[in-house]
Amino acid sequence: KAGVTQTPRYLIKTRGQQVTLSCSPISGHRSVSWYQQTPGQGLQFLFEYFSETQRNKGNFPGRFSGRQFSNSRSEMNVSTLELGDSALYLCASSLDPLGTEAFFGQGTRLTVV
Amino acid sequence: DQQVKQNSPSLSVQEGRISILNCDYTNSMFDYFLWYKKYPAEGPTFLISISSIKDKNEDGRFTVFLNKSAKHLSLHIVPSQPGDSAVYFCAASASASGTYKYIFGTGTRLKVLA
Repeated sequence: KAGVTQTPRYLIKTRGQQVTLSCSPISGHRSVSWYQQTPGQGLQFLFEYFSETQRNKGNFPGRFSGRQFSNSRSEMNVSTLELGDSALYLCASSLDPLGTEAFFGQGTRLTVV
Repeated sequence: DQQVKQNSPSLSVQEGRISILNCDYTNSMFDYFLWYKKYPAEGPTFLISISSIKDKNEDGRFTVFLNKSAKHLSLHIVPSQPGDSAVYFCAASASASGTYKYIFGTGTRLKVLA
């Protein structure tokens, strides 16, 4: 079956703009998590959605937001972009309950100039 | 506060030898641990996991060991192959949190020399 699909793969934005990233989970997976990867910081948890509800949120400013639709697809939005938001944004999907691994998409490489 | 630490940013190993990647954690609530492998321009791929009720889990060339008292886990790759060259992340989660949130380490770049 198809894996986790993230669009777009690459994005260049200007400081102050906003951006929306999309994630389609594996069919049947209802949990979607978002992570930010930057050099030296590893993968940092942004938020997790299950059944259209945000269940957990990482330590990121309010400029980072997300949502999940009824078909489990998820979007994350970053407003008022800053240079430091340049990163690889990864989406992971998983079955619920806990105890199973999450499957990652290829990520969206965001560059803020 | 880095709850999951991978103190070795890089590791070089000769092909055919054992690779040992280490990971330490501080949160005693963590009860599920995973290792992911990441190639450039790709998302992390799941390798192996271990629950806190076990101290060892094996899958082919990959074995993960968990020492709960030391809050330490390690991934052993035997024998190492050039295709294993990648960045390896360990991750931890706490089922008591009721949510699916992984805390990742900063990764170890493994280079297997032919």
